[in-house]
Amino acid sequence: GENVEQHPSTLSVQEGDSAVIKCTYSDSASNYFPWYKQELGKRPQLIIDIRSNVGEKKDQRIAVTLNKTAKHFSLHITETQPEDSAVYFCAAGPNDYKLSFGAGTTVTVRA
Amino acid sequence: GAGVSQTPSNKVTEKGKYVELRCDPISGHTALYWYRQSLGQGPEFLIYFQGTGAADDSGLPNDRFFAVRPEGSVSTLKIQRTERGDSAVYLCASSPTPGAGELFFGEGSRLTVL
Repeated sequence: GENVEQHPSTLSVQEGDSAVIKCTYSDSASNYFPWYKQELGKRPQLIIDIRSNVGEKKDQRIAVTLNKTAKHFSLHITETQPEDSAVYFCAAGPNDYKLSFGAGTTVTVRA
Repeated sequence: GAGVSQTPSNKVTEKGKYVELRCDPISGHTALYWYRQSLGQGPEFLIYFQGTGAADDSGLPNDRFFAVRPEGSVSTLKIQRTERGDSAVYLCASSPTPGAGELFFGEGSRLTVL
């Protein structure tokens, strides 16, 4: 099955700086790569996703890049704000429902 | 309702007992998913329903776990002879159709097996 590794496990950044989270996956059949944000005690919520026919996608301060050859994808958050503090999960799968999630990155934005 | 609703939000039970967890998806969503999230980990796929049928149950860890969705809306995850290792947050999600992308998660049911 799919194995997703996520780094770093914790990330502390100064407000206004950028944050980058990296994930690798093992199954070349995976072609859907979403990122979910989970605030403490809350439900995971999709923030951005990318499919294998696209190399990069951007939505305001958030961008995701995908390298299928190397089997890795990354989340970039620019101009971080305190409300960006949360746990971020990457995921990969051959379709939209059977996702394998990474272990998560706890992002803390220091004011 | 406005979002995916799960009950109970918290369940404490003793080892060996039977547990049922309920999920009420967003109205009109045909696809429903169960995931399990252990402390400090990402969600782990359990089962996926399209309509009333389980389209993929390959994530269920063993035959103590079973899920139903008899009318294509509300789903119940059933766990028999609970073990301490079953302790986790059980997340339900729904989506308008398979392949729609975003999974809309509920707040989860936290199960603690003593």
